[in-house]
Amino acid sequence: QKEVEQNSGPLSVPEGAIASLNCTYSDRGSQSFFWYRQYSGKSPELIMFIYSNGDKEDGRFTAQLNKASQYVSLLIRDSQPSDSATYLCAVISSNTGNQFYFGTGTSLTVIP
Amino acid sequence: NAGVTQTPKFQVLKTGQSMTLQCAQDMNHNSMYWYRQDPGMGLRLIYYSASEGTTDKGEVPNGYNVSRLNKREFSLRLESAAPSQTSVYFCASNLIETQYFGPGTRLLVL
Repeated sequence: QKEVEQNSGPLSVPEGAIASLNCTYSDRGSQSFFWYRQYSGKSPELIMFIYSNGDKEDGRFTAQLNKASQYVSLLIRDSQPSDSATYLCAVISSNTGNQFYFGTGTSLTVIP
Repeated sequence: NAGVTQTPKFQVLKTGQSMTLQCAQDMNHNSMYWYRQDPGMGLRLIYYSASEGTTDKGEVPNGYNVSRLNKREFSLRLESAAPSQTSVYFCASNLIETQYFGPGTRLLVL
């Protein structure tokens, strides 16, 4: 079982809609959770991180964490064509210290 | 402030050749990482260095060696390249838990 699972997509939403990206993880002791955005041919860039159960908002982005369900999600409100990218979920596992585990990513296309 | 830099940007090797990928960061970060990214596989950790003088294996270390030359530099060496090592390689660094990635090296092994 992979440490971090994501639906690879592709996910398509119309401009202005809410895009919902989901991620599950296997290690119950995981402490830190991250969402990265990666444009085609570019390197990943951090969008948000979340440590505690509940929601964390940053502009149009909201990260949601549910440790009991081992589930983390990213909502993008008012989606724009510039949000079209691959979104990577990452966790730091409690028993591996500094190691990050990444999901395979979900491809998002926002249709104008 | 250049962040994380990688050289080269692109490289073609023949099977059995060796090469070193260079990575440097100017953010005074303690931890540095090497990942490979393949279609459908996501980012997989090859090696990491929690601090100067230490290195540890990640998920896919076979066929690679690393050197943490100093706090700024972390190199990845392929001793005898194989076609299975064709990939995009990313170096990253972080201070606490936020990782910053370099632009990547595209490696093609024929």
